Amino acid sequence: DQQVKQNSPSLSVQEGRISILNCDYTNSMFDYFLWYKKYPAEGPTFLISISSIKDKNEDGRFTVFLNKSAKHLSLHIVPSQPGDSAVYFCAASAIGGGATNKLIFGTGTLLAVQP
Amino acid sequence: DSGVTQTPKHLITATGQRVTLRCSPRSGDLSVYWYQQSLDQGLQFLIQYYNGEERAKGNILERFSAQQFPDLHSELNLSSLELGDSALYFCASSVRAGTYEQYFGPGTRLTVT
Repeated sequence: DQQVKQNSPSLSVQEGRISILNCDYTNSMFDYFLWYKKYPAEGPTFLISISSIKDKNEDGRFTVFLNKSAKHLSLHIVPSQPGDSAVYFCAASAIGGGATNKLIFGTGTLLAVQP
Repeated sequence: DSGVTQTPKHLITATGQRVTLRCSPRSGDLSVYWYQQSLDQGLQFLIQYYNGEERAKGNILERFSAQQFPDLHSELNLSSLELGDSALYFCASSVRAGTYEQYFGPGTRLTVT
């Protein structure tokens, strides 16, 4: 049961344009969402996150939008740069009643930014 | 550089063998997580330790076990290895067990032949 889904395995964008990566989730108990970037042969790198009590969080060129009613979030990168080319993972977490925050990851979207 | 270190970087072994993967969390981080990334699946949570105690388990096989030592480094032990255990194994750490942001190491690529 895939609780976090990234339906686009790949995305190609021109340098300077906007990249929009999408993520859907099914578990309404998720209360925090994160985006990670991963280059080949490296571990995932934390990019940006959003709490379920917000609908937008911005950090420089990166903005994450959350639509709780649709159980959908998106990552916008503006402007896109060739160095942004990587696999982007959406992840979700639910603290719940305990002190664990295991991350549930989507399958990733490979972003290619063309010069 | 996330500050999380993992050794070895690559490991090639035969079926039926046992291996140990090592992780050192970021300085000050008390919580360690292990994830597996195989070709046909995304990153899958295996197990979490917090300050030496097991805190949560994911879909970790009974052939796999882990522990966190007093100096907070962690080891993931994989035994009776099968071809399907070939994967990337990532360790991540966070300051507290309930902190959402996790910082990942570079991973150990395990190849079982």
